[in-house]
Amino acid sequence: AQTVTQSQPEMSVQEAETVTLSCTYDTSESDYYLFWYKQPPSRQMILVIRQEAYKQQNATENRFSVNFQKAAKSFSLKISDSQLGDAAMYFCAYTSGQGAQKLVFGQGTRLTINP
Amino acid sequence: GAVVSQHPSRVICKSGTSVKIECRSLDFQATTMFWYRQFPKQSLMLMATSNEGSKATYEQGVEKDKFLINHASLTLSTLTVTSAHPEDSSFYICSATLHRVGNIQYFGAGTRLSVL
Repeated sequence: AQTVTQSQPEMSVQEAETVTLSCTYDTSESDYYLFWYKQPPSRQMILVIRQEAYKQQNATENRFSVNFQKAAKSFSLKISDSQLGDAAMYFCAYTSGQGAQKLVFGQGTRLTINP
Repeated sequence: GAVVSQHPSRVICKSGTSVKIECRSLDFQATTMFWYRQFPKQSLMLMATSNEGSKATYEQGVEKDKFLINHASLTLSTLTVTSAHPEDSSFYICSATLHRVGNIQYFGAGTRLSVL
C-alpha cells in the first residue's frame, strides 16, 4: 500500500522569507501523481500544486514550487516570499495514475507566518 | 471552474436522528466522488468512494449501514449519517474528480456535524 509521510508537524517562517515543507512517499507504481493541498482555517481544501511522476521537470505555480526527487521518493514544497495568507495546514498527497484512485494524504504540516 | 458545493456547512442534531449531506459538482460531471472524515488537528481519512450509478466502495472499518452513500447522478452524491450518535460528531468533506486534468480532486467546503 502507498504511504505518505510528512515529518514536520509544524513549521514557521518570517513574512517574505522562504520555507520548505518536506514529504516522502512509498509506492511500487510508476504512474502516479503527487499533490500539495492547503487547508486554511476555513477548512476548505485548496489545491496548491500538482506533479506528474513521469515529468522530470519540477512543477511551479507562482511562489510555490516543488523539488521532486523520484528515486528518493521525495516531494518537498517551497514557498517563496511567504505571505500571511499562506498560513494553513499543508497536506502532501499521492494518487495512482490508473483511473479515479483515492488520495493518500500525509499527516499534514501546520505553517505559521510570523509578521 | 471545477467548483464543488457541499451543503449544509454546519448541522446540529439530536442523538438518534439521521442527517443528510449533499455534495454537488457545479460546473463539471464527476464520475467519482469521495467522502472523507477529518478529526481535529488530523489528516483526512477516506471513508468511501462513490461512483455514479453503482454502489459505493467503503474503506475498511467504515460502517456502510451507518454511513449511507448515494451517487444518483454525475453531479450529486449524498452521505446520510443514520441514527447519529455523539461519536459521529466530526468534520465531513467531499471531493469530486475530473479525469481530464490528471486525477485532481476538487473539494467541498466541508460539513461540521455535531450530535447532541
